[in-house]
Amino acid sequence: KQEVTQIPAALSVPEGENLVLNCSFTDSAIYNLQWFRQDPGKGLTSLLLIQSSQREQTSGRLNASLDKSSGRSTLYIAASQPGDSATYLCAGAGSYQLTFGKGTKLSVIP
Amino acid sequence: NAGVTQTPKFRVLKTGQSMTLLCAQDMNHEYMYWYRQDPGMGLRLIHYSVGEGTTAKGEVPDGYNVSRLKKQNFLLGLESAAPSQTSVYFCASSYGRAQYFGPGTRLTVL
Repeated sequence: KQEVTQIPAALSVPEGENLVLNCSFTDSAIYNLQWFRQDPGKGLTSLLLIQSSQREQTSGRLNASLDKSSGRSTLYIAASQPGDSATYLCAGAGSYQLTFGKGTKLSVIP
Repeated sequence: NAGVTQTPKFRVLKTGQSMTLLCAQDMNHEYMYWYRQDPGMGLRLIHYSVGEGTTAKGEVPDGYNVSRLKKQNFLLGLESAAPSQTSVYFCASSYGRAQYFGPGTRLTVL
């Protein structure tokens, strides 16, 4: 059974800092790894999806990497802004379903 | 293009009552999913569907039933609600492997 772990559970950084969120998974036979953002009381917004054959994906200030051999993915956020404050979830895809981590709650302090 | 919509947004039930949550998507996606999100537990898959007329159990299916009579709709039913089913319910749909989420339904069972 796939298990996904996100460390740390919460992170607070000053505005402008670059930061890395970590995600680890136990089953390397994933189809892809997806990163989501969730604002309080809201649904999930897809940020980046990395296919199993890829090593990284970039969108604006976000860069996600995938290392299947070590069972790890990272989400790099450059030049953080207060608007980046949210919970970030990673999820590993099996044949049909996603297995989610419990998320990292990010606070960017102005 | 509304994406994934969920009805209702909020609901309060008494123990033993029944209700149906409706999920609709206008993206012509084959796959649809129902998740629940609980504090400290993350998102867990309840049921999913890989096409019209098909459904399958996820990680936590007990106490729920689903139907996919039309490709664009996926219904989640609670026949006899219990306090343990108090949660936020999310519907998602996908093509390929990227999943797109609805805004959620907050359900409280008293």
